[in-house]
Amino acid sequence: KQEVTQIPAALSVPEGENLVLNCSFTDSAIYNLQWFRQDPGKGLTSLLLIQSSQREQTSGRLNASLDKSSGRSTLYIAASQPGDSATYLCAVSHGSGNTGKLIFGQGTTLQVKP
Amino acid sequence: NAGVMQNPRHLVRRRGQEARLRCSPVKGHSHVYWYRQLPEEGLKFMVYLQKENIIDESGMPKERFSAEFPKEGPSILRIQQVVRGDSAAYFCASSPITVNEQFFGPGTRLTVL
Repeated sequence: KQEVTQIPAALSVPEGENLVLNCSFTDSAIYNLQWFRQDPGKGLTSLLLIQSSQREQTSGRLNASLDKSSGRSTLYIAASQPGDSATYLCAVSHGSGNTGKLIFGQGTTLQVKP
Repeated sequence: NAGVMQNPRHLVRRRGQEARLRCSPVKGHSHVYWYRQLPEEGLKFMVYLQKENIIDESGMPKERFSAEFPKEGPSILRIQQVVRGDSAAYFCASSPITVNEQFFGPGTRLTVL
């Protein structure tokens, strides 16, 4: 059974700091991995999608890496800003059955202090 | 160029009533997923539908819950005889093909009194 774990559960950093969020999954048979952002009481915003054949994806100040064999992904946020404060969710599209359903981690709640 | 739309955004029901949650996918997307986020818990997959077909309902409770995605109109998640434990945020996502990037709606927050 696929399980996704995110560490740390919460993180507080001063503005301007670079930071790394971690995601691990137990079954390497995935099709892709997606990072999302969720603001309190809001929906999910897709940040980056990494296909299983890819090693990383970049969008602006965000960089996500994927090491499928070791079951790990990291989300790197450069020069953090208070507006980055949110919960970050990692989700894998599990390979079994090929339905594309996402299995989510519990999230990392980030607070960036001005 | 609208994204995924869900309505209502907030829904209050008394125990025993029915709840109907609607999801209109991104235009051109024929794959719809429903997820539930219980208070203080992560998002859990419920059901995956294509037009007029339920493909995977492995995450749906066996009783009281049903979903459809008709040829015309939005996808509907229906909860009959709601109980307090059904209180949660229900999110819909769509994608153009299977195993692709999923785009999420704003969610429907269901409160059962």
